[in-house]
Amino acid sequence: SAVISQKPSRDICQRGTSLTIQCQVDSQVTMMFWYRQQPGQSLTLIATANQGSEATYESGFVIDKFPISRPNLTFSTLTVSNMSPEDSSIYLCSVVTAYQETQYFGPGTRLLVL
Amino acid sequence: GNSVTQMEGPVTLSEEAFLTINCTYTATGYPSLFWYVQYPGEGLQLLLKATKADDKGSNKGFEATYRKETTSFHLEKGSVQVSDSAVYFCALNSGGSNYKLTFGKGTLLTVNP
Repeated sequence: SAVISQKPSRDICQRGTSLTIQCQVDSQVTMMFWYRQQPGQSLTLIATANQGSEATYESGFVIDKFPISRPNLTFSTLTVSNMSPEDSSIYLCSVVTAYQETQYFGPGTRLLVL
Repeated sequence: GNSVTQMEGPVTLSEEAFLTINCTYTATGYPSLFWYVQYPGEGLQLLLKATKADDKGSNKGFEATYRKETTSFHLEKGSVQVSDSAVYFCALNSGGSNYKLTFGKGTLLTVNP
């Protein structure tokens, strides 16, 4: 399985500011995804990060709020923009490697917005 | 659309007790089924998976069998340990080239010594 790292691991931010989360994989992967896990809840898919093109967003999520980049096959960023306390969540990236259909998850970024 | 229904927790057991966490699903096509585990303060780890009917996934003493006739994928372990305390998520994808996962709500398991 791929080894996935995320930065930062946690952060406390003020409302109205933005935070960029990085996801780095140790090998080239086919697909990368970003999920949100609100406190005590399950995971919700935000978007699929597409290499070299715009991300594909799920219903209820928009690019202005959650811009995503994926400049190559091993790296992606998710920005949480103009944050409010409702954005306090764990944000996880996940990857699918070539010829496998299994998703592997990063350790997550724990975000608290005050 | 796809959906996953998991047994609601929390579940509290004594060490060496038998564990069952129920999971049923609704899906089109031929989904693959997964159990993920989230230990306190960590991300998700794949626990086991099954990709077709009657497959049994197993890992670390945990087992789950893909039952198409009952659309179920129940997680079992014969003897739980304190270290198994975590949140367990059942999930599916639609198979083929669609890797998007649909998750259940998660079940918190606490094992007491």
